[in-house]
Amino acid sequence: RKEVEQDPGPFNVPEGATVAFNCTYSNSASQSFFWYRQDCRKEPKLLMSVYSSGNEDGRFTAQLNRASQYISLLIRDSKLSDSATYLCVVTSPGGNQFYFGTGTSLTVIP
Amino acid sequence: DVKVTQSSRYLVKRTGEKVFLECVQDMDHENMFWYRQDPGLGLRLIYFSYDVKMKEKGDIPEGYSVSREKKERFSLILESASTNQTSMYLCASSFSRDRAGTEAFFGQGTRLTVV
Repeated sequence: RKEVEQDPGPFNVPEGATVAFNCTYSNSASQSFFWYRQDCRKEPKLLMSVYSSGNEDGRFTAQLNRASQYISLLIRDSKLSDSATYLCVVTSPGGNQFYFGTGTSLTVIP
Repeated sequence: DVKVTQSSRYLVKRTGEKVFLECVQDMDHENMFWYRQDPGLGLRLIYFSYDVKMKEKGDIPEGYSVSREKKERFSLILESASTNQTSMYLCASSFSRDRAGTEAFFGQGTRLTVV
């Protein structure tokens, strides 16, 4: 069983749309949670950390549900520049290992 | 600005060659990782290291070895390159469990082609 499961998409949405990505993880003792963004042929970069209380950064909102072992990312008012692959990342219980989802592809269409 | 630097962006090698991929970080991170990324398979862990001269096998170590002689440098070695090792190689680093909760930082990636 994979540590992290993500819907690979692709998601093709018009500018201004709201889009949500979901991710599940298998180890209930996982310590930390992140969303990374990866542009084509580039390295992954941290988009935001995810906390149990939920957190928001501008148009982006991340949620963690530990009981359901589920992480989400909501993007409001999508921009063309949001087109990328979004990776769900979970750490091991000790926090030293990172487990990556295969990524969800987003294309925002004019 | 935090930096993880990989020695090459693009590399073309011949089958059977010994290949060295170098990674240097300037953040005093204890942990360093080597991943490969292939379409549809995501990032797969090859090797990782929690400390100098320490190494641990990841999920796909076959055909690879690593070296960590200094804290800031983690090298990936392809002992005898094969065409199925054509991939994007990503180095990452992070703080140790004592400072858990911090993210992994990635190098820019090395796109290796073995012909």
